[in-house]
Amino acid sequence: EAQVTQNPRYLITVTGKKLTVTCSQNMNHEYMSWYRQDPGLGLRQIYYSMNVEVTDKGDVPEGYKVSRKEKRNFPLILESPSPNQTSLYFCASSPRTRWIANTGELFFGEGSRLTVL
Amino acid sequence: GENVEQHPSTLSVQEGDSAVIKCTYSDSASNYFPWYKQELGKRPQLIIDIRSNVGEKKDQRIAVTLNKTAKHFSLHITETQPEDSAVYFCAASKGTGGFKTIFGAGTRLFVKA
Repeated sequence: EAQVTQNPRYLITVTGKKLTVTCSQNMNHEYMSWYRQDPGLGLRQIYYSMNVEVTDKGDVPEGYKVSRKEKRNFPLILESPSPNQTSLYFCASSPRTRWIANTGELFFGEGSRLTVL
Repeated sequence: GENVEQHPSTLSVQEGDSAVIKCTYSDSASNYFPWYKQELGKRPQLIIDIRSNVGEKKDQRIAVTLNKTAKHFSLHITETQPEDSAVYFCAASKGTGGFKTIFGAGTRLFVKA
């Protein structure tokens, strides 16, 4: 089954304790992206990746890191989480490529609800 | 910076009526405009999209219109049903300079039976 898998789905942590949210897709997509969803603000893009070893900042990258060492995986790293990073996080992948401008829907994972105390 | 404004934030309609959600984007280079539906506790899922070389697209009860001059696009749902109740997000993106996608803040649609 084609899917995007995120882990953990729920996490409560404390300020400053490093954490990683994993994301894996089995659709051989080149494009992957992370979003955070907050009430009244919609989905805001954190980072995206066009391919292995190629990543770019979205609109709200501060406090986050990503890596793309393999095509299928795109982990989101919070080096020193703070309470303002409490949010619902979505990973997504897409068949869009640099050579096919703006085609392809975003396939979202189920979301990871993170609470930072 | 680039942004997408979406209105209304909440919309309540009677079953069978039509619903219209409107979005305005700021970056004139945007050329791809998808709409996503998010049911309560679920992930967003694409319901329809339109590219900048097309003015209108329809898929059964849903349709999207695009006015590039006004930088405005809209989602139309006809004959609404209770299962249409969800949050709807519009988005805008462009191919050049990367593939950033800017989402609107969302519209919560209630369809009353």
